Amino acid sequence: DAGVIQSPRHEVTEMGQEVTLRCKPISGHNSLFWYRQTMMRGLELLIYFNNNVPIDDSGMPEDRFSAKMPNASFSTLKIQPSEPRDSAVYFCASSLGEHSPLHFGNGTRLTVT
Amino acid sequence: KQEVTQIPAALSVPEGENLVLNCSFTDSAIYNLQWFRQDPGKGLTSLLLIQSSQREQTSGRLNASLDKSSGRSTLYIAASQPGDSATYLCAVPTSGSARQLTFGSGTQLTVLP
Repeated sequence: DAGVIQSPRHEVTEMGQEVTLRCKPISGHNSLFWYRQTMMRGLELLIYFNNNVPIDDSGMPEDRFSAKMPNASFSTLKIQPSEPRDSAVYFCASSLGEHSPLHFGNGTRLTVT
Repeated sequence: KQEVTQIPAALSVPEGENLVLNCSFTDSAIYNLQWFRQDPGKGLTSLLLIQSSQREQTSGRLNASLDKSSGRSTLYIAASQPGDSATYLCAVPTSGSARQLTFGSGTQLTVLP
């Protein structure tokens, strides 16, 4: 298996622009997570899906953030409009279940100028 | 609320040394504990997953222990190598959840050749 695949690897955009991050989980995994990592706050869970259904989005910082999972093999995280403080590395991760290891993608490094 | 602390924040050792990384958590009602490795510019790689009923797990030169009652885990690395240089993070389920993880801030390990 290719592992969790994220795109793009890097994204540089101007404040106010819409940003869409993409994720393909490992085939067969039923849970998908979006995390954000910064030096100041470490790894923070933004939202997670179980069987394509959003379970907990309490970590989503503001209404500017939204996430979808239209099918078992694809998820998006959208920021509209983006702000400089959104600059971070965004990770997608997937797992088979609550007693299984979490597998991470290589992340998308977002820079908002 | 689950809080995870890792000590030390950074560690530098000469090649060949055995070393121990520490992780403590505040809510001992956990389902499992995971240790991850993160290389610069990469995502997290799961190293070991210890279920709550287990006391330790081993993989090669790595051994992780879990003491739920005291809220502690250790990651033991035997005969360290320069390739072990990375940031090591531990994670436990967030209070009341089996799937959401709370991460420590990590220990940055440097093994000097």
